[in-house]
Amino acid sequence: DTGVSQDPRHKITKRGQNVTFRCDPISEHNRLYWYRQTLGQGPEFLTYFQNEAQLEKSRLLSDRFSAERPKGSFSTLEIQRTEQGDSAMYLCASSFLAQETQYFGPGTRLLVL
Amino acid sequence: QKEVEQDPGPLSVPEGAIVSLNCTYSNSAFQYFMWYRQYSRKGPELLMYTYSSGNKEDGRFTAQVDKSSKYISLFIRDSQPSDSATYLCAMSEYAGNNRKLIWGLGTSLAVNP
Repeated sequence: DTGVSQDPRHKITKRGQNVTFRCDPISEHNRLYWYRQTLGQGPEFLTYFQNEAQLEKSRLLSDRFSAERPKGSFSTLEIQRTEQGDSAMYLCASSFLAQETQYFGPGTRLLVL
Repeated sequence: QKEVEQDPGPLSVPEGAIVSLNCTYSNSAFQYFMWYRQYSRKGPELLMYTYSSGNKEDGRFTAQVDKSSKYISLFIRDSQPSDSATYLCAMSEYAGNNRKLIWGLGTSLAVNP
């Protein structure tokens, strides 16, 4: 499968715990995006990378959230001290520099109890 | 006012019907327009991508962009039960490196056999 992959697909955690999600983009894509989606809403932009550089972060991304893309390939999104309001689907997308089209992974569904 | 408005539905049609889905937007700088289909608990899947104004057809799907009215549409001909999903419009402007997508809420479509 050469699409965007995300791991894990589902995560249940207790409030206050840390969680980390991984995204593997399409191999030749140099842009990688993270979005958050709650039920009945469109995806909300969180942050994006061009290669290993994090070029923009949304105001939605509090200090508890951190994202990395150390070698310009896969990316991780970590949430520290999770809160119930963090429960959502976390989506990763990738695109090739010269294109606007973003291809999405299946998402990681997070439930914070 | 949200940058992108989309009626969340739900929209219910009989199999074989023509479906019309619409979004309006307020930012005249948007140049790239996309329609994504999202099945329950899955990531969005790109259906159609249009640059600037005009029509684009792909099989049973036709995307229309009217920049003068700030209005985009997706038509589905001969709708099938497998088309039952949420349809999200998304758009972006060219602004240097900032190419994050701005999304509608999504329209939930049910095609009844």
